[in-house]
Amino acid sequence: GAGVSQSPRYKVAKRGQDVALRCDPISGHVSLFWYQQALGQGPEFLTYFQNEAQLDKSGLPSDRFFAERPEGSVSTLKIQRTQQEDSAVYLCASSLVTRGGTEAFFGQGTRLTVV
Amino acid sequence: QKEVEQNSGPLSVPEGAIASLNCTYSDRGSQSFFWYRQYSGKSPELIMFIYSNGDKEDGRFTAQLNKASQYVSLLIRDSQPSDSATYLCAVIDTGRRALTFGSGTRLQVQP
Repeated sequence: GAGVSQSPRYKVAKRGQDVALRCDPISGHVSLFWYQQALGQGPEFLTYFQNEAQLDKSGLPSDRFFAERPEGSVSTLKIQRTQQEDSAVYLCASSLVTRGGTEAFFGQGTRLTVV
Repeated sequence: QKEVEQNSGPLSVPEGAIASLNCTYSDRGSQSFFWYRQYSGKSPELIMFIYSNGDKEDGRFTAQLNKASQYVSLLIRDSQPSDSATYLCAVIDTGRRALTFGSGTRLQVQP
């Protein structure tokens, strides 16, 4: 596709519900990053994939958060038993190279609201 | 202490003035520095990057880097109301691949 596509754009979940957020990166992009952006804050790193390998998951806040990229393309971020503090915008970025700097492109994000 | 610090603002400047946005970082080994612009409800958009000490100019934007002081800034000349947004400073820390962002500075350009 022309850019990084994320779905859904908005998600309202009841506390305790499981959610799955999808990221479709730019075709051929090797690297994929997930970030969490709380209101009024900068994006916070969650996890990084190089192709299908999850090389860094140091930013995942708890074991309720899980991400996968099984075929090295589309990625899914899953949050189990959602809590109110999970409410945020979840941003996905992809990059042609193995570094998230100049070549990284962000999707429009998924705004998750846990009620 | 956050790894990347920015004044949250808002920074208010009149149209046509120079806006100066500042950022400090804690990892002395950081090599890559970025400025992103984020409009409300939108995703971050890269506007400048700088790797070497000194100034880098691109149109109305100038990025300045001082590694000894661990300081990076963004100057916007001839500010326009359309420049009103949150500006995020980001670095790539030593040994990492992902960006570490500051909290952002909200810029308001008054017509």
